[in-house]
Amino acid sequence: AQTVTQSQPEMSVQEAETVTLSCTYDTSESDYYLFWYKQPPSRQMILVIRQEAYKQQNATENRFSVNFQKAAKSFSLKISDSQLGDAAMYFCAYRRGDRTGTASKLTFGTGTRLQVTL
Amino acid sequence: EAQVTQNPRYLITVTGKKLTVTCSQNMNHEYMSWYRQDPGLGLRQIYYSMNVEVTDKGDVPEGYKVSRKEKRNFPLILESPSPNQTSLYFCASSLHRGEQYFGPGTRLTVT
Repeated sequence: AQTVTQSQPEMSVQEAETVTLSCTYDTSESDYYLFWYKQPPSRQMILVIRQEAYKQQNATENRFSVNFQKAAKSFSLKISDSQLGDAAMYFCAYRRGDRTGTASKLTFGTGTRLQVTL
Repeated sequence: EAQVTQNPRYLITVTGKKLTVTCSQNMNHEYMSWYRQDPGLGLRQIYYSMNVEVTDKGDVPEGYKVSRKEKRNFPLILESPSPNQTSLYFCASSLHRGEQYFGPGTRLTVT
């Protein structure tokens, strides 16, 4: 079974600084997706960034970028120029890429709570 | 606007009183899922559906039922709720590949 591990329950960053959130995963599949979701106090689950396993290039979305190390099964999120609105719980998630029932599931890590300070 | 809606957003009920949480999506997605979120455990899948009339258990299905009679709707049914089902529930939909789109969540308290 696939597992996702986030080893940092809490992180803190100063406004305008850069922070990196860690995520490791375990799978024997070759076709899969990895995601970072943000959950602010409103509890809405917001997609931050996605990475297809077959793509070697790291995904980037404005101030958010990932470091995808497929062999090491590592998928870290870097937030540059941190803003107060970035304060939230961040979840790393994995999904298989095939059409099976198991591919319906996102497997989540336990989350990292990010605090942004002035 | 493409979205997943859930109702109600908040619900307080008593043990044993049947309830239904509705979920609807307007993106013509094949896949729909229900998750529950508990502190320290992340989100865990309860049930999923790959299309109309096709549903199956996820990781934590005990105490829940679902149905998928129309492509856009995927209600979650708790026939006899118990306090251990107090949680935050999310409905999600997706194509067969890629990201899932989440509803706003339903905070359920069972006393």
